[in-house]
Amino acid sequence: GDSVTQMEGPVTLSEEAFLTINCTYTATGYPSLFWYVQYPGEGLQLLLKATKADDKGSNKGFEATYRKETTSFHLEKGSVQVSDSAVYFCALSRNTGNQFYFGTGTSLTVIP
Amino acid sequence: NAGVTQTPKFRILKIGQSMTLQCTQDMNHNYMYWYRQDPGMGLKLIYYSVGAGITDKGEVPNGYNVSRSTTEDFPLRLELAAPSQTSVYFCASSAGMTGARHYGYTFGSGTRLTVV
Repeated sequence: GDSVTQMEGPVTLSEEAFLTINCTYTATGYPSLFWYVQYPGEGLQLLLKATKADDKGSNKGFEATYRKETTSFHLEKGSVQVSDSAVYFCALSRNTGNQFYFGTGTSLTVIP
Repeated sequence: NAGVTQTPKFRILKIGQSMTLQCTQDMNHNYMYWYRQDPGMGLKLIYYSVGAGITDKGEVPNGYNVSRSTTEDFPLRLELAAPSQTSVYFCASSAGMTGARHYGYTFGSGTRLTVV
């Protein structure tokens, strides 16, 4: 069945460091891919998305490229800030349905 | 624009008690979902609805019930609370898809439930 696997955390980085959170997926067909962010005590918020191969989603300095050949959607940011501390979820949705499949989440802590 | 509103934010239940988690959205979304989030386990789908009067089971429906009498409301019912239902519960809604373009979910802020 469809699934998402993302790197386990927690991840701790110093401010201005480079961030990569790996995400790979298994799905039939051509799913849409998403990154959601959850700040402490809040619900999940859509961070970025890509709906077809080679698309790049971007928002707030974060980027992820839909790589069909490696079934990946890795999240990157060139210079993290303390305010980026949160849990990040990779997710997919098959284009033939409306259900999402979430990864287990990666906790990021950025220290000054 | 309130988005998705969940109540209550926190609740402690005793084993065997019942309660209803409320979820309301004001975006006229047809699709609504209930997820539970356990530490280190990501989100698991409990129930979902594709429109008023239509509901279906997700991955972990046992111990829960839902109803969808209106587009706006999608309450989740726990009939006989058990410690295994201690979790954070999220309601979400979606406008669905147009062609290959998926609009993503809008999440509520969650209900933290403890069963003791």
